[in-house]
Amino acid sequence: DIVMTQTPLSLSVTPGQPASISCKSSQSLLRSDGKTHLYWYLQKPGQSPQLLIYVVSSRFSGVPDRFSGSGSGTDFTLKISRVEAEDVGVYYCMQGAHLPYSFGQGTKLEIK
Amino acid sequence: QVTLRESGPALVKPTQTLTLACTFSGFSLTTSGVCVSWIRQSPGKALEWLARIDWDDDKWYSTSLKTRLTISKDTSKNQVVLTMTNMDPVDTATYYCARTLRLGLEYYFDYWGQGTLVTVSS
Repeated sequence: DIVMTQTPLSLSVTPGQPASISCKSSQSLLRSDGKTHLYWYLQKPGQSPQLLIYVVSSRFSGVPDRFSGSGSGTDFTLKISRVEAEDVGVYYCMQGAHLPYSFGQGTKLEIK
Repeated sequence: QVTLRESGPALVKPTQTLTLACTFSGFSLTTSGVCVSWIRQSPGKALEWLARIDWDDDKWYSTSLKTRLTISKDTSKNQVVLTMTNMDPVDTATYYCARTLRLGLEYYFDYWGQGTLVTVSS
């Protein structure tokens, strides 16, 4: 099974400042369709997870453009250009390249 | 409007079998490319994918749990059922169902239920 490793596990950011989360997979997430199947989800406090980013860098419907994803192969990054209060929660990367799907440990974002 | 709602017992005893239902609306599990997955989250822990059932009735399971899991669907009821045998206190978690859309080789969870907390204790 593929292991997903996120760093850092927690992050405290001043509103308006950028934030960055790293995610590494134990195997390449590149599939035969030429796409890399890495996803980012955000679980806000007391809520179910919600999809932010799919196939590395595509923002899901309604996701603000301050969120961006990048990376390739086994190394990926989620960036928030200017953190807002509503961005608090736990961010998870997930690989959808190979069953069983697997998530990272999560990165908790707090506001300073 | 897509909605999913999990239901089942809040408390089960060790060694018992857990049966959870996911009742959904706003989509059909007979539509090509539409699937439903179960994901759980132990208290304070990360997400763990458990199983997926596809529109064509293909079924996929977590490697570590596949001997204990069974997923099925009842399209007439718009329902997906997950059973997990031989429950243990380490299975205490919030269990979510999520619509899973297939686009080519991409599968992503675009709508989630609110989750149901299952506690395993004698």
